[in-house]
Amino acid sequence: GAVVSQHPSWVICKSGTSVKIECRSLDFQATTMFWYRQFPKQSLMLMATSNEGSKATYEQGVEKDKFLINHASLTLSTLTVTSAHPEDSSFYICSARDGVGYEQYFGPGTRLTVT
Amino acid sequence: GESVGLHLPTLSVQEGDNSIINCAYSNSASDYFIWYKQESGKGPQFIIDIRSNMDKRQGQRVTVLLNKTVKHLSLQIAATQPGDSAVYFCAENMRGTYKYIFGTGTRLKVLA
Repeated sequence: GAVVSQHPSWVICKSGTSVKIECRSLDFQATTMFWYRQFPKQSLMLMATSNEGSKATYEQGVEKDKFLINHASLTLSTLTVTSAHPEDSSFYICSARDGVGYEQYFGPGTRLTVT
Repeated sequence: GESVGLHLPTLSVQEGDNSIINCAYSNSASDYFIWYKQESGKGPQFIIDIRSNMDKRQGQRVTVLLNKTVKHLSLQIAATQPGDSAVYFCAENMRGTYKYIFGTGTRLKVLA
């Protein structure tokens, strides 16, 4: 149980275009979802927290107009990277809470490469 | 032995030996701690967790120790196997927020 999926697993896009990444909780309802970014050989950095039906809360230094987060249902959150640039190339990972305890369940990640 | 690379420290151990991975956490008010294993190109995989009201917890081949006095967390892996080779991260839960702060990570290399 407690499986989180991400789609796509990898994506290549041209500079200036937008790309959407989906995060789904497959067998539980996710009251809260989190988005992380991870650069090579570095740790996971929290970008934002989203609760179903409300606006996401962004961490300091993360541009909310560039990284649009929508948590439209209890099983789906999307991250849209708008006007992507090569420096946005990274590994994006989502996680979800079922609202019961502290534990976050992590997705497999999405590799974004902007050319 | 242990070495510090550009971003990620590395711990090399012989197969069959015990491994100890250390983590200094940042917030004395954190109330929940987790160890994750991450293989290349994959998401973090839960290993073991511990709440702040405990100082030791054991799982299968793994033990987590928590020292709140010095804000230190360690992960002990018994009889390390080649499949244990990965990057290991500690994470702390910020009390009242459910947000995790991840440590810098340690790469574990198991030598045959």
